[in-house]
Amino acid sequence: KNQVEQSPQSLIILEGKNCTLQCNYTVSPFSNLRWYKQDTGRGPVSLTIMTFSENTKSNGRYTATLDADTKQSSLHITASQLSDSASYICVVSASGAGNKLVFGAGTILRVKS
Amino acid sequence: NAGVTQTPKFQVLKTGQSMTLQCAQDMNHNSMYWYRQDPGMGLRLIYYSASEGTTDKGEVPNGYNVSRLNKREFSLRLESAAPSQTSVYFCASSEALWDARGNEQFFGPGTRLTVL
Repeated sequence: KNQVEQSPQSLIILEGKNCTLQCNYTVSPFSNLRWYKQDTGRGPVSLTIMTFSENTKSNGRYTATLDADTKQSSLHITASQLSDSASYICVVSASGAGNKLVFGAGTILRVKS
Repeated sequence: NAGVTQTPKFQVLKTGQSMTLQCAQDMNHNSMYWYRQDPGMGLRLIYYSASEGTTDKGEVPNGYNVSRLNKREFSLRLESAAPSQTSVYFCASSEALWDARGNEQFFGPGTRLTVL
């Protein structure tokens, strides 16, 4: 069964600190993996996308990594800001017919001052 | 550009009532989707429309119907609401179906529905 599991479920960090969010997936055959940021009361917004051949992708203070062999991805946030408080969702796309998306439940990040 | 818009933002229904959630996009996208988001779970696909004139069931279609009114608009109807349909509903759109490279799904702000 295609699944995406994220850890931790929630995380509290101090402003200015770094953090890393994890995503493990069993989706096969793999097409690509996206990280979305979802602010409270808003829809998800894409941060990065990685295909099979990409190991790392950066978007400002956000850096995503992908290990297609172990089927793991991480999202690293550097020098966190209060505005980083949000839910971060890992989404994996399976290739082939019915190329649907499999969503993780998300990690809720709270950055406090 | 407004992107993807949804109405209403909030709605409270009684069991058995019906309602339609509206969604519109101004990005000239071909494909549109309806998801529901429940606490502790990933977004689940209810229905999708690959292009104008076509609709297909997703993972959790029971209790819902959809209409792709034109290229811009995709509505979701609850014919007889049940408490299990209490959720946050998101509409999304993309240039082409699913998430092939470059076809990012853009999400609306959501509709928070409570069924009593």
